[in-house]
Amino acid sequence: KAGVTQTPRYLIKTRGQQVTLSCSPISGHRSVSWYQQTPGQGLQFLFEYFSETQRNKGNFPGRFSGRQFSNSRSEMNVSTLELGDSALYLCASTGGWGGTEAFFGQGTRLTVV
Amino acid sequence: LAKTTQPISMDSYEGQEVNITCSHNNIATNDYITWYQQFPSQGPRFIIQGYKTKVTNEVASLFIPADRKSSTLSLPRVSLSDTAVYYCPGGGNNRLAFGKGNQVVVIP
Repeated sequence: KAGVTQTPRYLIKTRGQQVTLSCSPISGHRSVSWYQQTPGQGLQFLFEYFSETQRNKGNFPGRFSGRQFSNSRSEMNVSTLELGDSALYLCASTGGWGGTEAFFGQGTRLTVV
Repeated sequence: LAKTTQPISMDSYEGQEVNITCSHNNIATNDYITWYQQFPSQGPRFIIQGYKTKVTNEVASLFIPADRKSSTLSLPRVSLSDTAVYYCPGGGNNRLAFGKGNQVVVIP
């Protein structure tokens, strides 16, 4: 069974640009959540999608957005990139609403220069 | 999201038992307690889950008191490869709140 796949693995962008990251969950999983991880800040929750609907949202500015498609694949978009957006972005999928075990991808390392 | 609280960092020598405690002040009746392990530049991975009392698997043991307001992850005889960050998000909606976790550094 394939794991959670995130693409791309590494990305370098310039301030002011926008970026789209992709996450393909484990087959059959309908919930996808996104996290930002920076040194010293741990895993900060961005948002969660279930069946194409955003179910939970963390405390991030509106520049961070996401969506989920009918096949459960999810994308997150960051517009008007800032240097502080440089981070490891992780997504996780769970088997259903309230599923207790989250499976994480390897992450996308975004560097904003 | 209600966050759990954990200490930030701890060191341990190889072969010792390491115990990490997490507070779950807002845990709901139906919530499970789950622990994850994260190595550098990788996503966290599930290691153990429990509801009450004690759960043991090949990686760790999890102790949960009767009031379920805390949990303790026990890593027996740690090795250098156990150096990682350990997280204990809550259950239910709080399963998404990972926080800063607990850095365990195993020293030779």
